[in-house]
Amino acid sequence: NAGVMQNPRHLVRRRGQEARLRCSPMKGHSHVYWYRQLPEEGLKFMVYLQKENIIDESGMPKERFSAEFPKEGPSILRIQQVVRGDSAAYFCASSPPGTWAYGYTFGSGTRLTVV
Amino acid sequence: GENVEQHPSTLSVQEGDSAVIKCTYSDSASNYFPWYKQELGKGPQLIIDIRSNVGEKKDQRIAVTLNKTAKHFSLHITETQPEDSAVYFCAASGANSKLTFGKGITLSVRP
Repeated sequence: NAGVMQNPRHLVRRRGQEARLRCSPMKGHSHVYWYRQLPEEGLKFMVYLQKENIIDESGMPKERFSAEFPKEGPSILRIQQVVRGDSAAYFCASSPPGTWAYGYTFGSGTRLTVV
Repeated sequence: GENVEQHPSTLSVQEGDSAVIKCTYSDSASNYFPWYKQELGKGPQLIIDIRSNVGEKKDQRIAVTLNKTAKHFSLHITETQPEDSAVYFCAASGANSKLTFGKGITLSVRP
């Protein structure tokens, strides 16, 4: 029973390029959450998705960032025109239906470096 | 919104001693308080959690206590071992699925 799978583990992008981060939730989990961790900081909530629906995107920057969780396939966090300040670790978590925050399982993260 | 403060930011203990990490939260509506352990290069791993209808919970060498009146909760690790060395995060959640995290504490267990 594989855990939450994130890829790539490491991603290097030049300023102005696009970054696409993928997250496959645990089997049976239909809720996906994205968090961002800056160096020596705690994790900050970005977005909460269910299949084909964005439930809460209150933590997403208004520009350049978008997220989706299609009916088929992984959840994608997309960052357009990356800037140095986007360098961080991005973690995805998933949970079964109806468990709210109780059933969170985190992936190992994608470490984005913008050069 | 919720604000979670975590103190201290670093903690060093001798192997076999106990470690206590404290967190405070601001939103009285928060009702779920998990603790996560993060090792270098890995994602956070849930080690113990507590809900607001319980004052204390224990799992082997790890325990968590919650004081709702004072809005603080603490992680207690007894008989610390070198493999307990990691970054520990407290978090709080209310009637939604968002977790608000503290900034983390680096625990070092000296052999």
